[in-house]
Amino acid sequence: GQQVMQIPQYQHVQEGEDFTTYCNSSTTLSNIQWYKQRPGGHPVFLIQLVKSGEVKKQKRLTFQFGEAKKNSSLHITATQTTDVGTYFCAGGNQAGTALIFGKGTTLSVSS
Amino acid sequence: DSGVTQTPKHLITATGQRVTLRCSPRSGDLSVYWYQQSLDQGLQFLIQYYNGEERAKGNILERFSAQQFPDLHSELNLSSLELGDSALYFCASSAQVFANTGELFFGEGSRLTVL
Repeated sequence: GQQVMQIPQYQHVQEGEDFTTYCNSSTTLSNIQWYKQRPGGHPVFLIQLVKSGEVKKQKRLTFQFGEAKKNSSLHITATQTTDVGTYFCAGGNQAGTALIFGKGTTLSVSS
Repeated sequence: DSGVTQTPKHLITATGQRVTLRCSPRSGDLSVYWYQQSLDQGLQFLIQYYNGEERAKGNILERFSAQQFPDLHSELNLSSLELGDSALYFCASSAQVFANTGELFFGEGSRLTVL
């Protein structure tokens, strides 16, 4: 079945350093969504990418969708302690019947 | 506040027992999704309902069942519970029928502990 792999599983950075998490699918995706889950919280939607090669920015966050629509990345510039949490990518299958989540990347930031 | 309400927030029960988790979606949302989150498996999709009908099934065990009622709230029934069923169960809702369109709004989850 469709699988979405996400790396790294954990990442620790010093405040001010950059951070990137990568998402890879075994099949071509219709879209990719990114969610953030703060410790003890629930996943919160960040963004959706639909087009091949799409790049979107939200302040210090940059999201990319690969040309083949099989991979995606989230890059955070100059991390802050408020960026702490687990970032999940979620890929939609072509049939629209499932949104498959990766296992997430847990980011910790020390000041 | 996402607008999705889940009850109970915490539940402790014994192996072999049966529990029911409840979810009220955001006002106007017709789709309800159930996800299981455990430490080693991330967010596992269980099942989706749209306007009362089962729309998609993921890795849902036969011991688990769900339904969506006419008022659009949903219940997830877990029976013959095993230790490995201990997890955080999230409900999410969306306005769309297709899982690959629009964002999901997650509730705060129901933490199930099976002893």
